[in-house]
Amino acid sequence: GAGVSQSPSNKVTEKGKDVELRCDPISGHTALYWYRQSLGQGLEFLIYFQGNSAPDKSGLPSDRFSAERTGGSVSTLTIQRTQQEDSAVYLCASSPSGRAETQYFGPGTRLLVL
Amino acid sequence: AQSVTQPDIHITVSEGASLELRCNYSYGATPYLFWYVQSPGQGLQLLLKYFSGDTLVQGIKGFEAEFKRSQSSFNLRKPSVHWSDAAEYFCAVFSSGSARQLTFGSGTQLTVLP
Repeated sequence: GAGVSQSPSNKVTEKGKDVELRCDPISGHTALYWYRQSLGQGLEFLIYFQGNSAPDKSGLPSDRFSAERTGGSVSTLTIQRTQQEDSAVYLCASSPSGRAETQYFGPGTRLLVL
Repeated sequence: AQSVTQPDIHITVSEGASLELRCNYSYGATPYLFWYVQSPGQGLQLLLKYFSGDTLVQGIKGFEAEFKRSQSSFNLRKPSVHWSDAAEYFCAVFSSGSARQLTFGSGTQLTVLP
């Protein structure tokens, strides 16, 4: 079946602009995660959605970052007033139930802030 | 808080040689452990996972890992490396507490010489 998809695959933006990154999880997966992969920080957890529960936003680095998940499926990660340090690969993952189980990752969105 | 250490940033082996990538974790409860592989420009692919039971787990592409609770380790091994194994390898532990997320090590870059 189809895996996790993300769009765009690459995004170049200017400092100060807002960007939206999209994640389409595996059908039927109730848990959705966003991670960031950057040279200096490695792989970091950003946010976790489980079904209709309030998301766990504990990994978001600043209030410029937000995410939503509509209808328990597609998720959008929004970065407002982008800064150069936001340049990274943003990875989305989904899993069937959010318990201790395999997370399936998408190919990522590579964001470059000029 | 949980943490994962991969002490080797970069390892180089010859094709056909054996491989061992080290991973040490810190986690208060029973750990749920994973190894993922990332090829250039790709997302993360699961190699294998340990939840409970037999401490020697088999994965895809001929990889195996051994969970040693006394050493807090989960080292990845392969008896004979192929050129296609060149990639970055990440060890991770899943937190099953209130913050459900994967915590990753910093990764080990594997180079395979012909």
